[in-house]
Amino acid sequence: QSALTQPPSASGSPGQSITISCTGTSSDVGTYNWVSWYQQHPGKAPKLMIYEVSQRPSGVPDRFSGSKSGNTASLTVSGLQAEDEADYYCSSYAGSSILIFGGGTKLTVL
Amino acid sequence: DVNLMESGGGLVQPGGSLRLSCAASGLTFTNAWMTWVRQAPGKGLEWVGRITSKSDGGTAAHAAPVKGRFTISRDDSKNMLYLQMDSLRTEDTAVYYCTAGWANLHSWGQGTLVSVSS
Repeated sequence: QSALTQPPSASGSPGQSITISCTGTSSDVGTYNWVSWYQQHPGKAPKLMIYEVSQRPSGVPDRFSGSKSGNTASLTVSGLQAEDEADYYCSSYAGSSILIFGGGTKLTVL
Repeated sequence: DVNLMESGGGLVQPGGSLRLSCAASGLTFTNAWMTWVRQAPGKGLEWVGRITSKSDGGTAAHAAPVKGRFTISRDDSKNMLYLQMDSLRTEDTAVYYCTAGWANLHSWGQGTLVSVSS
C-alpha cells in the first residue's frame, strides 16, 4: 500500500477557512470510513482531531470538520487561529489489518 | 485521562536489537487494541503495527518494512505494551509512539527515540 497523498503545505489568514485534501484509492479511503486526521505541533505527539471521516473527539473545537467523497477525504478548519498552525496527517484503514498515513500537510497561519 | 509512557529507546548499531516498552494507565488496557507508529526525523508518520485485545485473539499485525524483524506483544497483567526490534537498520531511526486504538488512534505517548548508527 502506498501512502495517502496530501499537499505539502497550506496557508490561510486568521479567521479564514482552509481545506486539506487526502487522496487514496478504492482500496482504502474509497472503501472504508476509517479515515482519521491528526494534528502535530513541533516537538509534540500527534493528536486525534477527526475520526471515522467526520467525527470529532471530545474537546476538539467544532471549527474542525471532516468529509469524504470517493477516494478523497478532506479536513476543513474554519475560523483559522494562530494555534492551528501545525502539521496535519490523515490516515485510513487499507484492509488486511493495515493502516496507512498521508505524507502530512504543514498549515501556516499568515 | 489515558496516559501512555514509552521507554527503552537509544542508540544501537545496525543489526542490533532493542525492546521498547509502553506503560499504559487510565484505560481498560485488557480491552484495548494498541498500535505502534514511528516518525523518522523530519518525516511523516508511519504505521509500524498493532495488536488486538486478548479477547479478540491477541494477534499482532506488522507493516511490510518491519515484518519478520519487529514483534509487538502485550502483558495485560502489567498494563504493558512491547515492541521487540531485531536486525535493526539505519532506516529504522525514528521516534516511536505507543498509541491506543487501531484505526482511530485516540491517545498517544510522548515517543521514544531510536537511533540506529555505527
